[in-house]
Amino acid sequence: GIQVEQSPPDLILQEGANSTLRCNFSDSVNNLQWFHQNPWGQLINLFYIPSGTKQNGRLSATTVATERYSLLYISSSQTTDSGVYFCAVVPNAGGTSYGKLTFGQGTILTVHP
Amino acid sequence: GAGVSQTPSNKVTEKGKYVELRCDPISGHTALYWYRQSLGQGPEFLIYFQGTGAADDSGLPNDRFFAVRPEGSVSTLKIQRTERGDSAVYLCASSSNRGTDTQYFGPGTRLTVL
Repeated sequence: GIQVEQSPPDLILQEGANSTLRCNFSDSVNNLQWFHQNPWGQLINLFYIPSGTKQNGRLSATTVATERYSLLYISSSQTTDSGVYFCAVVPNAGGTSYGKLTFGQGTILTVHP
Repeated sequence: GAGVSQTPSNKVTEKGKYVELRCDPISGHTALYWYRQSLGQGPEFLIYFQGTGAADDSGLPNDRFFAVRPEGSVSTLKIQRTERGDSAVYLCASSSNRGTDTQYFGPGTRLTVL
């Protein structure tokens, strides 16, 4: 099946710093989502971005589908940004994937005040 | 409702017992997914429903696991003869159509098998 690798596995920042999280995937995709899992375990949708660039406040994401990677940018980080960030993809397998997401292992972000 | 809801939020059971976990998807969403998340890992796919039928159950680990969605809305994940290795957070997600659309996740049910 498709492989999803996220880097770095851990990231520690001071409040106000910027960061870039990366997601590499091994095959073409027709769905890519970025999630933030908060300390209570809730998976919060950040972006649906199988290709292109999107921005939402301090967060932005870019997916270069032809090169099989996506980047999540966090600017002016805040302590509330702490948690685990997951990238998840649906492979473009001619309809047989049925939309099941394959997740990476996540990036654990800690933002200190 | 406004989002995906799951009940119970926590379930503690003894090895060998039967459990049911419930998922209420976003109103109008035809696609429903169950995932399982073990500590320190990303969620892993279990089963996908399109309407009332299980279109893909390839992620169910064995025949102790079963899920239904009889009216195309609420779904129940059933686990028979629970084992300690079944302990995990069980997540439900829904989308308006097949998985080319955004999937929205519920808060999960934390299952602990003693």
